[in-house]
Amino acid sequence: SQKIEQNSEALNIQEGKTATLTCNYTNYSPAYLQWYRQDPGRGPVFLLLIRENEKEKRKERLKVTFDTTLKQSLFHITASQPADSATYLCALGAAGNKLTFGGGTRVLVKP
Amino acid sequence: DTGVSQNPRHKITKRGQNVTFRCDPISEHNRLYWYRQTLGQGPEFLTYFQNEAQLEKSRLLSDRFSAERPKGSFSTLEIQRTEQGDSAMYLCASSLTGQSGVEQFFGPGTRLTVL
Repeated sequence: SQKIEQNSEALNIQEGKTATLTCNYTNYSPAYLQWYRQDPGRGPVFLLLIRENEKEKRKERLKVTFDTTLKQSLFHITASQPADSATYLCALGAAGNKLTFGGGTRVLVKP
Repeated sequence: DTGVSQNPRHKITKRGQNVTFRCDPISEHNRLYWYRQTLGQGPEFLTYFQNEAQLEKSRLLSDRFSAERPKGSFSTLEIQRTEQGDSAMYLCASSLTGQSGVEQFFGPGTRLTVL
């Protein structure tokens, strides 16, 4: 069965450092992968999209890589700030834009 | 506010009761999705509509769950004979059709507690 794994342990990081989150998947051939941010009690908010034929995408302090051979995506937050503290979800997409989400990784940026 | 709205935001019900949730998507979005999220987990796909047509339902969705989008605008999700295991956050999202991978805009969710 399809499986998407994100590190379930919270990531504690010092302000100014780079946070790196991992998303691994099995038994899936996604057309694209998305990353969302979710704050407590709120719905997810879209951050970045990367397609199967792309290796890397950047948006401001965010960078995503996608390796379809390793079946892995890495999500980087550079120069992290306390306001970046949230749960980050990876989601794999296929036909119909139906998304299959990982369990999310909580990030806590300490000042 | 022109984002996705959901009502009610919280619902407490007793086991065996029926509940109905409403989702109002972004007005020009023709796709609408329902997800369920439990604590510490990512959202789990339930069903989605393109306009008024329900195109896919999760195999995990029992026959106690039904969703409608009668005029291709707002949608309702009904759960009949609620069980304690139905307690979760129910999220609605909307998007435009178009190229693959278009972002989904999520509402704030309806938190259901079944006693």
